[in-house]
Amino acid sequence: NAGVTQTPKFRILKIGQSMTLQCAQDMNHNYMYWYRQDPGMGLKLIYYSVGAGITDKGEVPNGYNVSRSTTEDFPLRLELAAPSQTSVYFCASTTRGPNEKLFFGSGTQLSVL
Amino acid sequence: AQSVAQPEDQVNVAEGNPLTVKCTYSVSGNPYLFWYVQYPNRGLQFLLKYITGDNLVKGSYGFEAEFNKSQTSFHLKKPSALVSDSALYFCAVITNAGKSTFGDGTTLTVKP
Repeated sequence: NAGVTQTPKFRILKIGQSMTLQCAQDMNHNYMYWYRQDPGMGLKLIYYSVGAGITDKGEVPNGYNVSRSTTEDFPLRLELAAPSQTSVYFCASTTRGPNEKLFFGSGTQLSVL
Repeated sequence: AQSVAQPEDQVNVAEGNPLTVKCTYSVSGNPYLFWYVQYPNRGLQFLLKYITGDNLVKGSYGFEAEFNKSQTSFHLKKPSALVSDSALYFCAVITNAGKSTFGDGTTLTVKP
């Protein structure tokens, strides 16, 4: 099994550009999450989804958008990139409920210059 | 609002000594509590979880954690530390609604 796959692994954006970070899981997980990890800091929840068609904001949603049209995919959209969005982004998923462990992708390192 | 606090940015122990990484939390209702470990340039890996039942939870690589409801704590422990345990450790709380909150992490350094 591939698990949780994130693409791209690295990306450099110019201020004001837009991009989509892709996340896909092949484990039929209902719950999916997007986090950002700033240098030397913990994970901050951006958005999460408890199933296809359902999304909700986390701690730091401003400047981001998500969609969940299928169980497998949970893309994160950055509109009008800003230097403050320079971070490592992790996607995670879990099974039927929040009492199960999270499976993490390997991360996307994004720099906005 | 739920929150997780890891009061120590850094924990240093000698190999073979016991280690404790502290975590306290604040959440409405009964939480699901987790510990994750992160090695350099990697995603997080699951160590252990507390859902219900026995307050002492055993996990991967010889780690265990003690849930204390009255102190709202979930400290990570290991009786004998290894150099290979050196990593960044995160405590997390997840509610029934699926919303997760992570602590800021504690860097564990085990010296030979």
